[in-house]
Amino acid sequence: LAKTTQPISMDSYEGQEVNITCSHNNIATNDYITWYQQFPSQGPRFIIQGYKTKVTNEVASLFIPADRKSSTLSLPRVSLSDTAVYYCLVGDVFSGSARQLTFGSGTQLTVLP
Amino acid sequence: EAGVTQFPSHSVIEKGQTVTLRCDPISGHDNLYWYRRVMGKEIKFLLHFVKESKQDESGMPNNRFLAERTGGTYSTLKVQPAELEDSGVYFCASSSGTGPYEKLFFGSGTQLSVL
Repeated sequence: LAKTTQPISMDSYEGQEVNITCSHNNIATNDYITWYQQFPSQGPRFIIQGYKTKVTNEVASLFIPADRKSSTLSLPRVSLSDTAVYYCLVGDVFSGSARQLTFGSGTQLTVLP
Repeated sequence: EAGVTQFPSHSVIEKGQTVTLRCDPISGHDNLYWYRRVMGKEIKFLLHFVKESKQDESGMPNNRFLAERTGGTYSTLKVQPAELEDSGVYFCASSSGTGPYEKLFFGSGTQLSVL
């Protein structure tokens, strides 16, 4: 199972770009990288998913280097409402087992005014 | 489109009592998952339904936990009898994909407190 390592916490100011890096040194060939966001008293919410290079959607961008041993979630111009815990997950999208979906401790992002 | 709905949002019971949690997945989603976070620890997998069948229940902690999914629609998770260590937040998620790492839609969870 590919284990992930993320910073426990990060602080940022409104309007800044935030980059959260996740290390996954033993990522497997079939593994995808998925990021979830969780607000207090809510369940995790899917943000973005990718396999290699760069993926962008209306919420964030995901940068994955060629060796895929790490990935960076980029949040453009954060606001106070982006304060949340962000989880990096790694696993086989199509044939992985549900029990392998591990959220880890996540990164607590706090956006300051 | 309605999201994943969980009921109740909070439940406070005494040790030894029975509690039943309910999850209504997004309509048409064949995959339904139960997760929980206990004692502020990490979110852990409990089990996975595909329609009405249990695909994987390896995360269920013991036989005090019973999950069902009637007709492949809503699901219930019963804890009987509840113990103090069962306190935590129970999340339900659903997806239409073929694998667990595809996009999951989570409910807001049920906060269970066993006193």
